[in-house]
Amino acid sequence: EVQLVESGGGVVQPGGSLRLSCAASGFTLSSYWMSWVRQAPGKGLEWVANIKQDGSEKYYVGSVRGRFTISRENAKNSLYLQMNSLRVEDTAVYYCATTSGWSSGNYWGQGTLVTVSS
Amino acid sequence: QSVVTQPPSASGTPGQRVTISCSGSNSNIGRNTVNWFKQLPGTAPQLLIYNNNQRPSGVPDRFSGSKSGTSASLAISGLQSEDEADYYCVAWDVSLNVWVFGGGTKLTVL
Repeated sequence: EVQLVESGGGVVQPGGSLRLSCAASGFTLSSYWMSWVRQAPGKGLEWVANIKQDGSEKYYVGSVRGRFTISRENAKNSLYLQMNSLRVEDTAVYYCATTSGWSSGNYWGQGTLVTVSS
Repeated sequence: QSVVTQPPSASGTPGQRVTISCSGSNSNIGRNTVNWFKQLPGTAPQLLIYNNNQRPSGVPDRFSGSKSGTSASLAISGLQSEDEADYYCVAWDVSLNVWVFGGGTKLTVL
């Protein structure tokens, strides 16, 4: 069974840090560009960052550039998002997802909630 | 305000055909393919259409996509109650180097 499982969400104060993880099973993570996508409560989807299959290219939405870092460990079939200097507006459910090879399948995790609040 | 625009809401009665538009620019939809996602409350998005008009296996042929210039559309024919959901278009923006989602369209089946 194909699965993406996120973990690491929680409540953090403004200015704090969190590291999200995404563990893949049932498919080879290294075959895909991977992304983090977030959804603030009651709002639409917002793409946050992506990373190429071999980790050689990374892109970020402007609002998180310089604060968030995406990385991957293909040997562990895992994706990560290091989030520093968190802001209240970063509060959202964070999903990991495949964003390439659409004809081969598109996979999403169940999401992990990050709440930034004092 | 998203750089890719969708109507916030759409509606139809069972059996009807509805379309959802997605308007972008020459740096995103005009340059790259469009994907469409369906999202039910509290669940992860599900891919409906990729590369403008391709359906993943398992997606009914009631769903179809098209693109012309800097705009794209999702059409749903034979509307069913289970189609009530939020729908998002997305395309890669070559100027911003980001995936840009539309703001989403809430479809109501009356």
